[in-house]
Amino acid sequence: EVQLVESGGGLVQPGRSLRLSCAASGFTFDDYAMHWVRQAPGKGLEWVSGISWNSGSIGYADSVKGRFTISRDNAKNSLYLQMNSLRAEDMALYYCAKEISSGWSWGFDYWGQGTLVTVSS
Amino acid sequence: DIQLTQSPSFLSASVGDRVTITCRASQGISSYLAWYQQKPGKAPKLLIYAASTLQSGVPSRFSGSGSGTEFTLTISSLQPEDFATYYCQQLNSYPRTFGGGTKVEIK
Repeated sequence: EVQLVESGGGLVQPGRSLRLSCAASGFTFDDYAMHWVRQAPGKGLEWVSGISWNSGSIGYADSVKGRFTISRDNAKNSLYLQMNSLRAEDMALYYCAKEISSGWSWGFDYWGQGTLVTVSS
Repeated sequence: DIQLTQSPSFLSASVGDRVTITCRASQGISSYLAWYQQKPGKAPKLLIYAASTLQSGVPSRFSGSGSGTEFTLTISSLQPEDFATYYCQQLNSYPRTFGGGTKVEIK
């Protein structure tokens, strides 16, 4: 059974940093690209960042570029999101998501339950 | 960046109705489009990928069509469990943008 379990969320002051983790199991982690998607309270989905199976291709939303860094450790079956210079508008539930295909990017077939990031002084 | 515009943003319908949601891309994305369903307090669920391929386990009343810049998600006969918010997403290029969502509520 595929499982994605996020952790690392919490309350943080504006301007500070936080590192999110996603522990993956039930599939061959290093075969698939992985992504972070967030959802602010009462709002829609926002894609944040994605990373290919070998970390050779990485993308970011304009809203986080230069502040967030995605990475993965295939030996540990883990995905990470380093979030620096956090702002009030970064407050959201952060989901880890798996690509449906190990080839082309067609969609995200498994999602974690999310970890909540609250940015407030 | 590719923008996705969903319409309508809100839809009121009855059980048994045929429902169609549209997603328009600001530039051509071939068939690199997915549809998701999200219920309150839950993670999104993949319904359709590659514009028209039904994800395993998803009821056949859901279907997707389109290519290029215009796409549709159709629910042929709305069921009580289908009342939710639906999102499209483009996977043609980074950033992998989502549409603004369509909330389907009971009339």
